[in-house]
Amino acid sequence: KNEVEQSPQNLTAQEGEFITINCSYSVGISALHWLQQHPGGGIVSLFMLSSGKKKHGRLIATINIQEKHSSLHITASHPRDSAVYICAAQSNRDDKIIFGKGTRLHILP
Amino acid sequence: DAGVIQSPRHEVTEMGQEVTLRCKPISGHNSLFWYRQTMMRGLELLIYFNNNVPIDDSGMPEDRFSAKMPNASFSTLKIQPSEPRDSAVYFCASRIYLANTGELFFGEGSRLTVL
Repeated sequence: KNEVEQSPQNLTAQEGEFITINCSYSVGISALHWLQQHPGGGIVSLFMLSSGKKKHGRLIATINIQEKHSSLHITASHPRDSAVYICAAQSNRDDKIIFGKGTRLHILP
Repeated sequence: DAGVIQSPRHEVTEMGQEVTLRCKPISGHNSLFWYRQTMMRGLELLIYFNNNVPIDDSGMPEDRFSAKMPNASFSTLKIQPSEPRDSAVYFCASRIYLANTGELFFGEGSRLTVL
């Protein structure tokens, strides 16, 4: 079993829909990262959080430390949100960052 | 700031050749990571440095891979000899290591194709 699991693996939605991507992890963490990668593009850090919730524009990330679960939400989704979203857990034991396999999001116009 | 700078952006080489990938982290960042991304395995950590010192190289696939960080502003990842299965996108990332926190900043990646 992977230490960081994301769901769904693939998600197609219509423009305007509310999107939720889930991440569960099994290691103790000091931080949880959400990253975005556009097709053929580089990787951009969206959020780094260790508790509670963070918001940036239409993106919201939440984390529940007790349940070892984090979610990334996108409100009023837009085709330019189409990308791969990657969850990464930063181990509190050795600072290693463990990546999920990513969620491929496709927003249809 | 220019961000994390990687070179080359693309490299095509033949099996058996030596490949050197380069990374310049963001000025002031003291942690540097090398990752490899493939369709099959996703993102994998190869090695990371804190203050130019290799901390964990357990992700380096085998002895053909080596990485150095001679100073705070430069790192190399070398593959010798290269093999077709090394074809991947190699990312470098840096951050400020401070009490286990610090947002990651990625370079654009180096796409390696070994024929």
